[in-house]
Amino acid sequence: AQSVTQLGSHVSVSEGALVLLRCNYSSSVPPYLFWYVQYPNQGLQLLLKYTSAATLVKGINGFEAEFKKSETSFHLTKPSAHMSDAAEYFCAVSEYGGFKTIFGAGTRLFVKA
Amino acid sequence: NAGVTQTPKFQVLKTGQSMTLQCAQDMNHNSMYWYRQDPGMGLRLIYYSASEGTTDKGEVPNGYNVSRLNKREFSLRLESAAPSQTSVYFCASRPNPDRATEAFFGQGTRLTVV
Repeated sequence: AQSVTQLGSHVSVSEGALVLLRCNYSSSVPPYLFWYVQYPNQGLQLLLKYTSAATLVKGINGFEAEFKKSETSFHLTKPSAHMSDAAEYFCAVSEYGGFKTIFGAGTRLFVKA
Repeated sequence: NAGVTQTPKFQVLKTGQSMTLQCAQDMNHNSMYWYRQDPGMGLRLIYYSASEGTTDKGEVPNGYNVSRLNKREFSLRLESAAPSQTSVYFCASRPNPDRATEAFFGQGTRLTVV
């Protein structure tokens, strides 16, 4: 069965600092991986996705993620945090067969002024 | 461009009451989903409809039923609400059940069962 694990339910960074949100996956087949962001009182929206093309994927709002097969990881980074990045971030894997998406527990990002 | 629309946005129910959560999408997507979101547990799939005319159970289907009314609409029904169903419910759609396609989410329904 496929799964994702997000390390750290809460991450706090200072404005201008590097953002690193960790995601590890488990999959017996080549995975299709996603990062979603959820702003307060809103639904989730796609940040970026990996679908077996380039291993470094660029998304919206300056975020990017690197697929590392050897480490079974898909960590999300942003060089310089902005106050508007404060939100909850979810890593997800698309199930083999394509019908379902499996989500991690989420990481809430706090940005300090 | 509405995307995925859920109604209502907020609801308070008494234990044992029933209600239906409505979801509609205007993107001509084939697949639709209902998730619940609870603190520390991410999103858990309740039911999904891979295409019009089909529905299947997800990870946590007990206490819920669904109807895929047509291609646009996918409703979730709680027949006898319980406090354990207090949660935020999200409807989502995808163009098709392909691994590479992302989900588009509604704004959510915040349900409290007292």
